[in-house]
Amino acid sequence: QSALTQPRSVSGSPGQAVTISCTGTNSDVGGYNYVSWYQQYPGKAPKLMIYDVAKRPSGVPDRFSGSKSGNTASLTISGLQAEDEADYYCCSYGGTQLYVFGTGTKVTVV
Amino acid sequence: EVQLVESGGGLVQPGGSLRLSCEASGFSFGDSYMYWVRQAPGKGLLWVSRIDNDGSSTKYADSVKGRFTISRDNAKNTLFLQMNSLRVEDTAVYYCAKSGGYYMDVWGKGTTVTVSS
Repeated sequence: QSALTQPRSVSGSPGQAVTISCTGTNSDVGGYNYVSWYQQYPGKAPKLMIYDVAKRPSGVPDRFSGSKSGNTASLTISGLQAEDEADYYCCSYGGTQLYVFGTGTKVTVV
Repeated sequence: EVQLVESGGGLVQPGGSLRLSCEASGFSFGDSYMYWVRQAPGKGLLWVSRIDNDGSSTKYADSVKGRFTISRDNAKNTLFLQMNSLRVEDTAVYYCAKSGGYYMDVWGKGTTVTVSS
C-alpha cells in the first residue's frame, strides 16, 4: 500500500491561509472518517493536530481545521503564524495496512 | 502528565536483534491500545504495529510482519517491540504512541535504531 499523497511543500505569509491536501483511495481516506493530522518540528516527535477528519484536540489553536471530500482530506491553517512552520503529515485508518501516513508537507512561513 | 519514554535503541548489525521498550505514565495504560511508528532518516512516518489493551490482538505493517513482535506488560505499564532479522532499511527513529481512537494522541520522543555493518 502506497503512502497517501501530499504536496511536498506549501508556503504563505503571516496571516494568510494555507491548505494541505492528502489524497488516498476508497480503501483508506475515502472509506472511513478516520483521518488525522500531525505537526512535526525538526528532531522532535509528531504532535496530533486534527483527528477524525475535523476534530481538534484540546490546546490546538482553532486556526487549524480539517475537512474531507471523497478520497482527499485537507488541513487548513488560517491566519498563518511563524510558529506554524513545520512538517505536517496526514494519516488514515484502513487499506491493506491498518494505518497509512501521507508523504509529508513542509509548511514555510515567508 | 501523560508521558511515554522509549529506550533500547542502538547500533546493530544486519540480521541482529533489538528489543525496544516504552514506559508509560500519567494515564490508564491497561485501557489503551498502543502503537509503534518509525521514521527513517529524512523520510516520512510509517506505521509499524498496533496492540490492543490486553495484548490479545496485534497488527503489523507488511514490511515488518514475521520479524517484529509487539507486546506489553500492563503490570509494569510498558510496551515492547522485539525486532529480529534486522535490515539496513529498518534504520529509523522508533516512536511509541498512545491510541485515542483511530489516531495517535500522545507520542514519546523516540529511540534511534541503526542497522549497519
